[in-house]
Amino acid sequence: KAGVTQTPRYLIKTRGQQVTLSCSPISGHRSVSWYQQTPGQGLQFLFEYFSETQRNKGNFPGRFSGRQFSNSRSEMNVSTLELGDSALYLCASRPGTYNTGELFFGEGSRLTVL
Amino acid sequence: AQSVAQPEDQVNVAEGNPLTVKCTYSVSGNPYLFWYVQYPNRGLQFLLKYITGDNLVKGSYGFEAEFNKSQTSFHLKKPSALVSDSALYFCAVRDRPYNTDKLIFGTGTRLQVFP
Repeated sequence: KAGVTQTPRYLIKTRGQQVTLSCSPISGHRSVSWYQQTPGQGLQFLFEYFSETQRNKGNFPGRFSGRQFSNSRSEMNVSTLELGDSALYLCASRPGTYNTGELFFGEGSRLTVL
Repeated sequence: AQSVAQPEDQVNVAEGNPLTVKCTYSVSGNPYLFWYVQYPNRGLQFLLKYITGDNLVKGSYGFEAEFNKSQTSFHLKKPSALVSDSALYFCAVRDRPYNTDKLIFGTGTRLQVFP
């Protein structure tokens, strides 16, 4: 079974631009969540989706948004990029049934903002 | 609020020796605790979890963790370290309410195993 797939793996943007990151969960998984990882702030929760509905959101500005499609694939968007948005963005999925809490993470999209 | 703390930024151990990576928690109610490992330029891999039951939890790659309610700790252990265990280890707790996937992570501990 294929794991969580994130694209692109690496990208470079300049300040003020916007970026869209994609996440394909493990087949059959209906819940997708996103995390930001930086050296200074560590791992921080961005948001989570279940059946196309945002179920929870972390403390990030409105420039960070996301969505989930009917096939459970998810995208997150960051508009008006700032230098501080440089980070590894991790997507995770799990089955939408009994929530044991174990998340399956992708390898991440590393964003560099210049 | 739920939180976890990893007091050591780095742990160094010789190959073949036992290793311990420390984690303490602060939660309201019963904790859902996890350990994840991250290798360079990779995502997080699940190692083990404590939800309820036996205080000694066994996980992947020979790792285990001991849940101690009185000391509010959830230390990760392995009887004999391998050089390939060198990685970044994260302790995490599930946020409330428990129908969320939101995990609150510790700051991470870098484990270095020397040959």
